[in-house]
Amino acid sequence: EAQVTQNPRYLITVTGKKLTVTCSQNMNHEYMSWYRQDPGLGLRQIYYSMNVEVTDKGDVPEGYKVSRKEKRNFPLILESPSPNQTSLYFCATKREEGPYEQYFGPGTRLTVT
Amino acid sequence: GNSVTQMEGPVTLSEEAFLTINCTYTATGYPSLFWYVQYPGEGLQLLLKATKADDKGSNKGFEATYRKETTSFHLEKGSVQVSDSAVYFCALSVHRRDMRFGAGTRLTVKP
Repeated sequence: EAQVTQNPRYLITVTGKKLTVTCSQNMNHEYMSWYRQDPGLGLRQIYYSMNVEVTDKGDVPEGYKVSRKEKRNFPLILESPSPNQTSLYFCATKREEGPYEQYFGPGTRLTVT
Repeated sequence: GNSVTQMEGPVTLSEEAFLTINCTYTATGYPSLFWYVQYPGEGLQLLLKATKADDKGSNKGFEATYRKETTSFHLEKGSVQVSDSAVYFCALSVHRRDMRFGAGTRLTVKP
């Protein structure tokens, strides 16, 4: 079954404690991205990766890092989380051919206290 | 830049009522348009899509028509069910590198 997986699904942490949210896809897509979802703001893109070793900033990259060492994995790293990063995070992947619909993971709900 | 504006919610309807959720867009180039649905506790799922002007996307009784002249892609369903309660997102994509989403509209359908 084609899918995007994320771990953990829920995470409560404290300010400043480094964390990593993993994302993996089995669809052999080159493109992967991270979004955060906040009430009234929809989904905003954090980072994206067009292919292995190539990443670029989205609309809200501050406070986040990513790495793309393998095609299937695209972890999101928060080096020093802050309360304003409390949000629902989604990983997504996209086909190479148009119309470029995206396939989303189940989400990770992060709370930073 | 490219952007999507969709009607604010929440929307509350009775079962079997007619649903319209408005969506308008601004884009350079020729966008593809999408509606995604998010059920409680889940990720976003593609509901329907349209790739060019006058295309009609449809799925599970939902429809939306790509109107280039009004830059709109309104979502409609003739008779909603309780199971349609979810958050609906309108989105567009011009390039492979990004996708723009509206703020989302929460729909609650009451028996």
